[in-house]
Amino acid sequence: EIVLTQSPGTLSLSPGERATLSCRASQSVSSSYFAWYQQTPGQAPRLLIYGASSRATGIPDRFSGSVSGTEFTLTISRLEPEDFAVYYCQQYRTFGPGTKVDIK
Amino acid sequence: VQLLESGGGLVQPGGSLRLSCAASGFTFSTYAMSWVRQAPGKGLEWVSGVSHSGGGTYYADSVKGRFTISRDNPRNTLYLQMNGLRAEDTAVYYCAKGIAVFPWYFDDWGQGTLVTVSS
Repeated sequence: EIVLTQSPGTLSLSPGERATLSCRASQSVSSSYFAWYQQTPGQAPRLLIYGASSRATGIPDRFSGSVSGTEFTLTISRLEPEDFAVYYCQQYRTFGPGTKVDIK
Repeated sequence: VQLLESGGGLVQPGGSLRLSCAASGFTFSTYAMSWVRQAPGKGLEWVSGVSHSGGGTYYADSVKGRFTISRDNPRNTLYLQMNGLRAEDTAVYYCAKGIAVFPWYFDDWGQGTLVTVSS
């Protein structure tokens, strides 16, 4: 069973800063089956990235995904106020524990 | 796209509930669908999924043998029959639509329905 580890647990940043979130898989996985979601309080999750690097429909280009080996990265180039949320990675049908991005 | 869940509520341990998800705004019969849950203050857990035709059903180990997913394509409705409920099944249950290229990416979600298992 694949285990996903997200780091850091919490990321405290200011609007306009760059956010880099990591998700590491416990074993080699296909990037074809890797996604990122954003969830704001009280809301359902929103698909941001699929296939490790493809943006979902309507997702701004400040969100990007990449992969190196078993480490997947979500980058938000410049944080907007609406980007402060919890971010989950997903590999196939397994979700990571989440990274909270909060306002510094 | 609209996904509207219903059927949640308070149930005693060992009890049963049937969740429904009414879909609209897309061709329901051409997409895989899933249920994803989120325990209070916790992360996301995929629970169960069904192929576009209903011919394939899939379950997390934590619910296998207790939960049954089904769909009624003419009625544009997804179901989750939950039996033998446990305290650890307490969560918000989301109905989620798979995307065309891969059934386990979820690009549309309902607002969720809360299931509370407690005596």
